[in-house]
Amino acid sequence: NAGVMQNPRHLVRRRGQEARLRCSPMKGHSHVYWYRQLPEEGLKFMVYLQKENIIDESGMPKERFSAEFPKEGPSILRIQQVVRGDSAAYFCASSQAATGELFFGEGSRLTVL
Amino acid sequence: AQSVTQLDSQVPVFEEAPVELRCNYSSSVSVYLFWYVQYPNQGLQLLLKYLSGSTLVKGINGFEAEFNKSQTSFHLRKPSVHISDTAEYFCAVKTGGTSYGKLTFGQGTILTVHP
Repeated sequence: NAGVMQNPRHLVRRRGQEARLRCSPMKGHSHVYWYRQLPEEGLKFMVYLQKENIIDESGMPKERFSAEFPKEGPSILRIQQVVRGDSAAYFCASSQAATGELFFGEGSRLTVL
Repeated sequence: AQSVTQLDSQVPVFEEAPVELRCNYSSSVSVYLFWYVQYPNQGLQLLLKYLSGSTLVKGINGFEAEFNKSQTSFHLRKPSVHISDTAEYFCAVKTGGTSYGKLTFGQGTILTVHP
């Protein structure tokens, strides 16, 4: 049973470009979370999604960031017009149930030049 | 609002020595507590968790933690570490009122085990 798959593992963007990060949850998991880890900081919650629904986006920056988890396909975290401060590791986690254990992917490391 | 403080950013220790990684939290409501380990360039792996019941929790790889409500602490311990325990360790909390996996993490403690 494959774990949580994130791609790309590393992404380099120039300021003003768009970044798209993908997350395929574990098989049978319909709950997806995105967390951001800034350099030398712990992980910070961004958003919680179930299939086709955003349940809690209280940790998402108000502008330029969006997330989706369509009926088919992976969850996408989209960052428009990236700035240097967006450079971070973005982790996706999934769970089988809302109260279930979180399983984390290996992260996508975004570098903005 | 809840917060988590990991008191040591780095802990160096020799192989086979005991280790304690400290974690304090602040919350006005009941909490669930977790310790995760992150090996270089990998995702987080759950070490152990406290939900209720016995305050001494045993996890994988020989780690254990003790929930102390009066001191609002959840320190992680291992009686004898191995080189392979070198990693970053994160303490995390979830309020009892949250029904899903919205965790608040500490800043992390880098454990380095020397031969």
